[in-house]
Amino acid sequence: IAGITQAPTSQILAAGRRMTLRCTQDMRHNAMYWYRQDLGLGLRLIHYSNTAGTTGKGEVPDGYSVSRANTDDFPLTLASAVPSQTSVYFCASSTLPGQGDNEQFFGPGTRLTVL
Amino acid sequence: QKEVEQNSGPLSVPEGAIASLNCTYSDRGSQSFFWYRQYSGKSPELIMSIYSNGDKEDGRFTAQLNKASQYVSLLIRDSQPSDSATYLCAVRMDSSYKLIFGSGTRLLVRP
Repeated sequence: IAGITQAPTSQILAAGRRMTLRCTQDMRHNAMYWYRQDLGLGLRLIHYSNTAGTTGKGEVPDGYSVSRANTDDFPLTLASAVPSQTSVYFCASSTLPGQGDNEQFFGPGTRLTVL
Repeated sequence: QKEVEQNSGPLSVPEGAIASLNCTYSDRGSQSFFWYRQYSGKSPELIMSIYSNGDKEDGRFTAQLNKASQYVSLLIRDSQPSDSATYLCAVRMDSSYKLIFGSGTRLLVRP
């Protein structure tokens, strides 16, 4: 079944630890995104990638890094987690503008708690 | 001023009624508009996309876009308790592929 998977589903992490959230899509979408969702703040873009080998910063990139080694995978890394990074993280993917409707589809999310 | 604004709600309607959800945006150059539904504890699910002024209908859902007034709305006809969720408006503001999301409107459909 085509879609987006994320791992882990949830994680409790000690402050200062390194953590990588995984995201894989099998829809052959060029573009992928990482969002965080916090109560009252909605979805905010952390990083994005419009094709393998390229990445860009979103609205709230500090403290996060991403890589895009291939089309399917787009991991998000927290090098040294802080409590303010406690959030629900969603990965999404889409075609690029001009390649269809450019609708974004979301993975199931990772709930991260940093203590 | 937020770039995409929605009333947080909750918007409460009786079962069978029409629910009207509204969204305004700040950038006149915005090109694409999306409505997502998000159940509590779940991920956003795309309901509708609209790109041109006017109405677009899909089943019980109708999206309405008015670029001159910079608003987009979602009408849900014959509302069902299963429609109770948070509805997110998202706008693509330029030729990029990045979306700006509103904070969402919580809809409650009373049986």
